[in-house]
Formats: sequence, structure tokens, C-alpha cells
Amino acid sequence: QVQLVESGGGVVQPGRSLRLSCAASGFTFSSYGMHWVRQAPGKGLEWVAVIWFDGTKKYYADSVKGRFAISRDNSENTLFLQMNSLRAEDTAVYYCARGPGSIDYWGQGTLVTVSS
Amino acid sequence: EIVMTQSPATLSVSPGERATLSCRASQSVSSHLAWYQQKPGQAPRLLIYGASTRATGIPARFSGSGSGTEFTLTISNLQSEDFAVYYCQQYNKWPLPITFGQGTRLEIK
Repeated sequence: QVQLVESGGGVVQPGRSLRLSCAASGFTFSSYGMHWVRQAPGKGLEWVAVIWFDGTKKYYADSVKGRFAISRDNSENTLFLQMNSLRAEDTAVYYCARGPGSIDYWGQGTLVTVSS
Repeated sequence: EIVMTQSPATLSVSPGERATLSCRASQSVSSHLAWYQQKPGQAPRLLIYGASTRATGIPARFSGSGSGTEFTLTISNLQSEDFAVYYCQQYNKWPLPITFGQGTRLEIK
């Protein structure tokens, strides 16, 4: 069965960096576009970034453009999100999700807290 | 960016009755509209894609309709496990960018 397992979340100070990972299994990872979607505490869903199945194209929400970088390793079935210059408003649960358009599988999420 | 607006923010319905949730797009998204259910502490679950196609394993009491800018999610014969938050999402301009509605909380009356 399809599984997406995020890791790498935690507490980080403003301005610092964090790298999230998502281990995928149960499907042909290299055939699917993948997303990161986040949810601030008590708030709704916010799309963050998407990467093409082969990694050739990447797109970002305006709120993270220039600070976050999405990447993937198809040989390891793993999705990444490098988050730099973190701000308090980046505090959220970050979900790895399978695309490309509608999202049919979601990970359980990893919590990122940006606080001094 | 396409803005998705859901109404109402909160809907109170009794078990066994029908719930009707609305989603409006700021511009046409054709039929590139999905619905998700989210329960506390859980990831969202895909219910409907293509505006009206049920995802795998979704009960027939969930149905979606609409196209263009107006969409509806109808849940018939509400069960206790259906009380949750529901989000719509457009992917017409995918991948630039995907946008979600702000959610409708379906609560027990």
C-alpha cells in the first residue's frame, strides 16, 4: 500500500534552516509529481511546493519562494524540502503528498515550530 | 492566483440528514476541483476529484457536482464519522499554484 513518511521536523530559531524528508513506498515514486502542503496550528491547508516526477520542474508558493527548495531522489524514493531563513509564520505541520493535480495520498505530517 | 471560497464556515446537521457544502472559485477552474475530509490530528483524505468522481473507497453517500466556478459537495445520510472539516481545492492552473478553500466545519446538531 502507498505510504508517505515525513521526518525532520522540530523546533528551530527564526532565520535558521531545516530539511524535511519524505520516504515513499508502495508505488512507483519516479512516476508521480509530489507536493509539500502545510497547515499552521488551527488553520487551513496551504500548498507550498511541487516537483515534477523527474525533478525537472519545480514551483513554489509566493510565501516561500526564494527561501524553500524542493528536491527528490528517485533512486531512494525520497522527497525533500530544504527550508532556509525560517520565520515564525512558517510554523506548521508539513505534509508530503502525491500529485500531480488532486492529491490522493498524504503523509502523516511533521511539525515545524519556528520560535526563539 | 485563483481564490477558493467555501460556505458556510460551519454547518450543523443531524445524523441521518443531508449536508450540502459549497465552494466558489474566483475564476473558472473547469472541472479541476477536489474535495478533502480532515479529522482532528489526521491528514486530509481525498473524497472527490474531477468535481464529481469519488476517490477509491469513498462511500456513495458522498457526491460532488458543479463546474466552472460553482461546486457542491453533498453528503447524504450523515454518519457519525462524517463530522469533520472539508476543504475544496482547485488544480486548474496546476502547478501554478494549487489553492485550497478555507474549509467548512461539519458539526453534529
